[in-house]
Amino acid sequence: EPEVTQTPSHQVTQMGQEVILRCVPISNHLYFYWYRQILGQKVEFLVSFYNNEISEKSEIFDDQFSVERPDGSNFTLKIRSTKLEDSAMYFCASSGATGTGNWGYTFGSGTRLTVV
Amino acid sequence: GENVEQHPSTLSVQEGDSAVIKCTYSDSASNYFPWYKQELGKRPQLIIDIRSNVGEKKDQRIAVTLNKTAKHFSLHITETQPEDSAVYFCAASYSGYSTLTFGKGTMLLVSP
Repeated sequence: EPEVTQTPSHQVTQMGQEVILRCVPISNHLYFYWYRQILGQKVEFLVSFYNNEISEKSEIFDDQFSVERPDGSNFTLKIRSTKLEDSAMYFCASSGATGTGNWGYTFGSGTRLTVV
Repeated sequence: GENVEQHPSTLSVQEGDSAVIKCTYSDSASNYFPWYKQELGKRPQLIIDIRSNVGEKKDQRIAVTLNKTAKHFSLHITETQPEDSAVYFCAASYSGYSTLTFGKGTMLLVSP
């Protein structure tokens, strides 16, 4: 079964540092997303990406965040200057397989970001 | 925007019992309602979903019901097993490609 792959699985960074979280979505999916989950809380939407541009973003996704699809396979989330409250599990997801009517996301296994 | 409420926050059942988790949503434009199972430290995994043109969907021991008029949907698990123990999240969106708004989750504990 196709998977969404995320690296690294765990990242520890100092406050104020930049981090880049990487994702490889499922190859025939068209829509890409980043969500985050603070420990013990619900999953929250950050941003969606379609046709090489941001299609929607939440209030959480401020100027410190950016996304990029630098090539045909990778999808990255950059946090420019990390804060303690950015500590969370970050999930990448993809959906919208071409040529099918299938709905539904596939989530990656997540990157646990710890800001110290 | 969409708001999804989920109840209960914790549910403890004995093995073999049924479990029901309920969610309500606020945006009548929502058409897609997936349910995710999340084991500790792992990714949310889609277990079942329903679109607004269907009132009920079943997959073996799992079923989901949707009442669009009342704007609520429920997950039903029959013959629960210890391996069903996890956090279950409901979600709502306009379509399977749109932003998902999640409920706060239900921790299901199935005792042998």
